[in-house]
Amino acid sequence: AQKITQTQPGMFVQEKEAVTLDCTYDTSDQSYGLFWYKQPSSGEMIFLIYQGSYDEQNATEGRYSLNFQKARKSANLVISASQLGDSAMYFCAMNRGYKLIFGSGTRLLVRP
Amino acid sequence: GAGVSQSPSNKVTEKGKDVELRCDPISGHTALYWYRQSLGQGLEFLIYFQGNSAPDKSGLPSDRFSAERTGGSVSTLTIQRTQQEDSAVYLCASSLDGRESDTQYFGPGTRLTVL
Repeated sequence: AQKITQTQPGMFVQEKEAVTLDCTYDTSDQSYGLFWYKQPSSGEMIFLIYQGSYDEQNATEGRYSLNFQKARKSANLVISASQLGDSAMYFCAMNRGYKLIFGSGTRLLVRP
Repeated sequence: GAGVSQSPSNKVTEKGKDVELRCDPISGHTALYWYRQSLGQGLEFLIYFQGNSAPDKSGLPSDRFSAERTGGSVSTLTIQRTQQEDSAVYLCASSLDGRESDTQYFGPGTRLTVL
């Protein structure tokens, strides 16, 4: 069965520093996609970044990059130059067909 | 353009009452999903609609839950005879055509509280 594991329930980072949020996954599928979403206190899930299992390059979107290590089955999110507005819950997800399987999330708090 | 919208944003109901939650997907998106986010279970898939195909209802937790999508656009999730364990945030998402690599865009959710 597919599973997403986020081992960091909460993290702190100083404003303007970089932070890495961990995500490991388990699947027997050869083709799959990995997603990261941000959920601020308002509740809306905001899409951040996508990595396909056959993508050779790590995905990047502005200050977000995905450190994809296929052999280790990890897909860590790196946020560069943290901002106060980055304080939120972050969810890693993997698709099982069209369904998304989510991890338990990491709460990030950016300190001024 | 406009994102996914959901209504109501909050719903408080008494145990045993029926509730209807509404989702309006992004214009042009053919795939629509419902998820539930609760403290104990995290985020879990409920149901998937794609075009005119039969919906995938495999995630619905009981037969008290049902959903429909009219005209390939707006969807309504109905919970009959609500129970306290139904209290959760119900999130709707839509994607362009439901492919596996499609990005799902979420609405703000409906927070349901069953007293």
